[in-house]
Amino acid sequence: NAGVTQTPKFQVLKTGQSMTLQCAQDMNHNSMYWYRQDPGMGLRLIYYSASEGTTDKGEVPNGYNVSRLNKREFSLRLESAAPSQTSVYFCASSMDHGETQYFGPGTRLLVL
Amino acid sequence: QKEVEQNSGPLSVPEGAIASLNCTYSDRGSQSFFWYRQYSGKSPELIMSIYSNGDKEDGRFTAQLNKASQYVSLLIRDSQPSDSATYLCAVKGGRGYSTLTFGKGTMLLVSP
Repeated sequence: NAGVTQTPKFQVLKTGQSMTLQCAQDMNHNSMYWYRQDPGMGLRLIYYSASEGTTDKGEVPNGYNVSRLNKREFSLRLESAAPSQTSVYFCASSMDHGETQYFGPGTRLLVL
Repeated sequence: QKEVEQNSGPLSVPEGAIASLNCTYSDRGSQSFFWYRQYSGKSPELIMSIYSNGDKEDGRFTAQLNKASQYVSLLIRDSQPSDSATYLCAVKGGRGYSTLTFGKGTMLLVSP
């Protein structure tokens, strides 16, 4: 039982490049989330998917897009990376929206 | 705007002492409250959840909730150096479809 997995673990991008962060969970959870964590800013919600087939904006959605591919997978895409998107990105899932969230190991992204 | 406030710390306690971590929240209708622990460079992991006024104990950890005063606290008894981490408070808002709002966390340092 892997829980929540994220790929890649580390990534370096140049300004303007695009990339997709992948997240998968094997807990049969309905809801999935993407956060970014920056020093002094805490965890900020980027997008979430309360259930398969739905996605909604969180606190800081600008510059990102998401896809809920199926019940297990929720991806985050940066279309044109900017240095301000340098951060640690966490994916999380919960059985239902608003319930206890379980986090993946994170992706450390550096945009030069 | 829902807010969850925590003292950033660091809170320093000697080994064996009781560590007291506090969190206040602005949404009076908030329903669910969570404490997460995050070691440096790692992802948040759930310690406890609490939903009703009063105390909830789990091993060395006790969560306390006072909805009238809008605060939730976490007590760690017999603190160990391995408890040194950042503790995040998370609150689910009062509206039916609310997400979790995380505080910025309190850093706890337990000295041998």
